[in-house]
Amino acid sequence: EAGVVQSPRYKIIEKKQPVAFWCNPISGHNTLYWYLQNLGQGPELLIRYENEEAVDDSQLPKDRFSAERLKGVDSTLKIQPAELGDSAVYLCASSPWTGSEAFFGQGTRLTVV
Amino acid sequence: GQNIDQPTEMTATEGAIVQINCTYQTSGFNGLFWYQQHAGEAPTFLSYNVLDGLEEKGRFSSFLSRSKGYSYLLLKELQMKDSASYLCAVRDSASGAGSYQLTFGKGTKLSVIP
Repeated sequence: EAGVVQSPRYKIIEKKQPVAFWCNPISGHNTLYWYLQNLGQGPELLIRYENEEAVDDSQLPKDRFSAERLKGVDSTLKIQPAELGDSAVYLCASSPWTGSEAFFGQGTRLTVV
Repeated sequence: GQNIDQPTEMTATEGAIVQINCTYQTSGFNGLFWYQQHAGEAPTFLSYNVLDGLEEKGRFSSFLSRSKGYSYLLLKELQMKDSASYLCAVRDSASGAGSYQLTFGKGTKLSVIP
């Protein structure tokens, strides 16, 4: 069974530029999470989807971050414009239902210069 | 909200036993997970506790006391490959019936030395 797939693995952009990350969750998993992880820290939730509905986006900086999960499968996280402080690893995870064991993708390491 | 505390770093010797503690404060507690994360890799699931007591899985065991808001992960017969960060994550009820959220602690970086 394929795991959670994220792309790209690495991204370097200049500040004020836009960037997008893509996630394909495990087939059949209704819940999808986007987490941000800084070096030496635990993952911090940005947004959680139940199918195509964003049910928890309270930690998402909505002035520059946006996300979508059309058709309740793949998801895209976008930052526009990126700031230096956005440099981090962006992790996508999915689970069969909310609160069950989450399976993580390899993450996208973003560097903003 | 949640408040999850873990030690930042620990060091232990190959072949020894190490216990990584996690304390939490939350409302609507509905389970605690432990994840392992090697440097540069994704977190992987280790264990899950929802009732008080000890869950054993090979060299790894996890304990939960809900009344004390306390859990620990016990690693036996340490191997060099166990050097990683260990993340404690608490599941609790968010808004809406049947809706839960999973919140992670900052992780404990374990170094296993020869």
